[in-house]
Amino acid sequence: AQSVTQLGSHVSVSEGALVLLRCNYSSSVPPYLFWYVQYPNQGLQLLLKYTSAATLVKGINGFEAEFKKSETSFHLTKPSAHMSDAAEYFCAVSLSGGADGLTFGKGTHLIIQP
Amino acid sequence: KAGVTQTPRYLIKTRGQQVTLSCSPISGHRSVSWYQQTPGQGLQFLFEYFSETQRNKGNFPGRFSGRQFSNSRSEMNVSTLELGDSALYLCASSLGVQGAGTDTQYFGPGTRLTVL
Repeated sequence: AQSVTQLGSHVSVSEGALVLLRCNYSSSVPPYLFWYVQYPNQGLQLLLKYTSAATLVKGINGFEAEFKKSETSFHLTKPSAHMSDAAEYFCAVSLSGGADGLTFGKGTHLIIQP
Repeated sequence: KAGVTQTPRYLIKTRGQQVTLSCSPISGHRSVSWYQQTPGQGLQFLFEYFSETQRNKGNFPGRFSGRQFSNSRSEMNVSTLELGDSALYLCASSLGVQGAGTDTQYFGPGTRLTVL
C-alpha cells in the first residue's frame, strides 16, 4: 500500500521568499505523484504531476517539484512567494494503473506574510 | 470548456436520512471519481465510475454507493446518515484512459454535507 507524509501542517513564509513544501511517499512500485492546491470553499486544482518522464516537474503558477527516488521525496518549491499563493496544498500518490485512486497527504496550509 | 459541476453545494440532513449528490464531468470525460474530505481523515477515495460501471472502490461501508449515467454524469448516495458523514464530498472527472489514480483528475467545488 502507498502512503504520503506531508511535513508541517502549517508553513509560513514572507512574500517574496522561497516556498518549500515537503512531501515523502512510500510505495513498493514506481509511483505517480501529484501536487494539488485548494483555495477556500473550492475544489482541488492540479499544480503538477510526475509520471517518470523527468525528475524535475514544472507546474502552473511558478511551482515545481523534484522527484528524488533515493529520498522518496517530492517536495514542492516556488522561488518567490506571492500573497495569492496562500492556500492548502496536498501531495498525492498513486500506483501505476491507479486502481486505488489517489492517496492524499494531510495537507499543508501555506501562509504568506506581507 | 466548462469545468466539473456539483450540486447542491450545501446540504443539511439529519441522522438516519439518505442523501444524493450529483456530479457533471467535463465534456468528453468518461471517468468520475468521488472523494470525501474531513478535517480528521483528510481526503479519502470513495469510488470511481467509468462507462457506467464502478471500476475502483475505496474502503468505505456499503452505505456509500454511486452510479453513472450514459452521459457520464454521476450520482453518489449515502444511506442511513451518521454524524461522521459530515464532510466535503468532491467529485473529479478524467478522460478515463487509465485508472483513477493516474489520469489527470479535474475536481469540482464539492458538496458540503452537514449531518445533524
